[in-house]
Amino acid sequence: ETGVTQTPRHLVMGMTNKKSLKCEQHLGHNAMYWYKQSAKKPLELMFVYNFKEQTENNSVPSRFSPECPNSSHLFLHLHTLQPEDSALYLCASSQDAGVGNYGYTFGSGTRLTVV
Amino acid sequence: RKEVEQDPGPFNVPEGATVAFNCTYSNSASQSFFWYRQDCRKEPKLLMSVYSSGNEDGRFTAQLNRASQYISLLIRDSKLSDSATYLCVVKGAGRSQGNLIFGKGTKLSVKP
Repeated sequence: ETGVTQTPRHLVMGMTNKKSLKCEQHLGHNAMYWYKQSAKKPLELMFVYNFKEQTENNSVPSRFSPECPNSSHLFLHLHTLQPEDSALYLCASSQDAGVGNYGYTFGSGTRLTVV
Repeated sequence: RKEVEQDPGPFNVPEGATVAFNCTYSNSASQSFFWYRQDCRKEPKLLMSVYSSGNEDGRFTAQLNRASQYISLLIRDSKLSDSATYLCVVKGAGRSQGNLIFGKGTKLSVKP
């Protein structure tokens, strides 16, 4: 285990469904991130939270809605998704956003399929 | 120009071979650099940070050339377990400051 836990591991949802992805980190980090990884594309940053405050929304469609109730938990609420949203959604955490020479620790990801 | 560019490979090498991956980045103000490893259908994991003076960790050596905006990873004495995708990662500057920007990755396959 990396210290960053994501649930569920796999999710199949219809285009009219509403679901949520959950991420929890036990590393005492202050920054959390959502990334999307599609086939043959680099990881794409979606959202950044630093000390519970959203510091970046990388032009993500409003059908993706993040929530960060505290520094240890991050959610991604999904509604009316499209088939092209099918991808691996990765949560990551780091000590702080923007400062220092440290990388991120990733969760195992949620593999999402929209049908 | 893409922010982080890598040769996607695949690199198919025999066990024991030495293999090198290269990466270029577009933002000259970038300050931090990393190599991550991602196994098939798994999450990326930090392999090593890349320092200006170059650094080594066992069979792995990372180099940074700021003037050419170029990062490299050298793997000596390749093992079957080294088979994975290697992601070049740059910590952003300017508008992307602080965020990690990933290359598409270079796929390595080590054969017996």
